[in-house]
Amino acid sequence: DAGVIQSPRHEVTEMGQEVTLRCKPISGHDYLFWYRQTMMRGLELLIYFNNNVPIDDSGMPEDRFSAKMPNASFSTLKIQPSEPRDSAVYFCASSLQVVYGYTFGSGTRLTVV
Amino acid sequence: GESVGLHLPTLSVQEGDNSIINCAYSNSASDYFIWYKQESGKGPQFIIDIRSNMDKRQGQRVTVLLNKTVKHLSLQIAATQPGDSAVYFCAEIFGNEKLTFGTGTRLTIIP
Repeated sequence: DAGVIQSPRHEVTEMGQEVTLRCKPISGHDYLFWYRQTMMRGLELLIYFNNNVPIDDSGMPEDRFSAKMPNASFSTLKIQPSEPRDSAVYFCASSLQVVYGYTFGSGTRLTVV
Repeated sequence: GESVGLHLPTLSVQEGDNSIINCAYSNSASDYFIWYKQESGKGPQFIIDIRSNMDKRQGQRVTVLLNKTVKHLSLQIAATQPGDSAVYFCAEIFGNEKLTFGTGTRLTIIP
């Protein structure tokens, strides 16, 4: 298994632009999580899905952030419009159960200038 | 909400020595704990887990200890190697809620 695959690895964009981050979970995992990591706030859960359905989006910072999971093998996290304070590493993780160890992707480092 | 915290933000250990990374958690009802290792430029990687009905669990060169009386979790790494240099996170879960991560401890192995 190739693990959780995220793309792109790095993204540099200008303030105000739309950014789309992508994730392919491990096949058979029913749970998918989006995390954001910064030096100041550490790892923050943004949203998670169970069987493609969003379960908890309480961590999504504001309406500029949206996430979708159109099928079991693909999810996107979109930021529109992006702002410099969105600069962070965004991780996707998947799991067989929510009460279980998650497998993380390698992350997308987003820089908004 | 409840949070997971760490006693030491940084730790330096001589190669070959044992290291102990500590974690304090605040939710006494948490029933599952995990240690993750994060190397530079990579995502967190699962190391070892322990359920609240246990007080010790061993893996390869790693041991996790759980003291529910004082709500303390520790990760012991035996015979440290340069590849152990990383940031280590503890995480807790209560019931069917999602994992809550601590702030992390940076472990540096000195050759």
